[in-house]
Amino acid sequence: QKEVEQDPGPLSVPEGAIVSLNCTYSNSAFQYFMWYRQYSRKGPELLMYTYSSGNKEDGRFTAQVDKSSKYISLFIRDSQPSDSATYLCAMMDSSYKLIFGSGTRLLVRP
Amino acid sequence: KAGVTQTPRYLIKTRGQQVTLSCSPISGHRSVSWYQQTPGQGLQFLFEYFSETQRNKGNFPGRFSGRQFSNSRSEMNVSTLELGDSALYLCASSLALSTNEKLFFGSGTQLSVL
Repeated sequence: QKEVEQDPGPLSVPEGAIVSLNCTYSNSAFQYFMWYRQYSRKGPELLMYTYSSGNKEDGRFTAQVDKSSKYISLFIRDSQPSDSATYLCAMMDSSYKLIFGSGTRLLVRP
Repeated sequence: KAGVTQTPRYLIKTRGQQVTLSCSPISGHRSVSWYQQTPGQGLQFLFEYFSETQRNKGNFPGRFSGRQFSNSRSEMNVSTLELGDSALYLCASSLALSTNEKLFFGSGTQLSVL
């Protein structure tokens, strides 16, 4: 079983929809949670960084962490075609090693 | 401010050869990490260097090695290439990898082993 599980998709939604992306994890030592966006033929780009359980909002993006359920989510409001990319969750424990999910491909249709 | 620069962008090698990939971090960043990305395995951690010292290592065979220079630039070497080494190799830099630091990735080197 992988330490971090993420549905690979693809997830196809119409423009303007609310998108929900999720990851589950098994290692309770993970303390820091991130979401990266990766466009085709590019490196991942950090979108959100959270530490504690709860919600963190940045513009159209909201990251949610539930440590008791070992579950994290990324919500995208008013999705745009430019949001079409692969979204990777990532987690870090005290050894500073990042463990990535396999990524969810998102397609926002105009 | 220039981002993380990786060279070359694309590389084609044959089995048994060796390859060296280069990474220039963002100016002022002292930590460089390397990752391998494949469709089947996703992003996997190779190793991390800070101030010319390897601080962390993933579960890859000894054919994968790296080093960091005094100017923080880093190189990664893969010897005796195998078909399964075909992947996108990503380099990421941060000021000093800690729980508060964020990783900035380059665009990667796409390696194809024939």
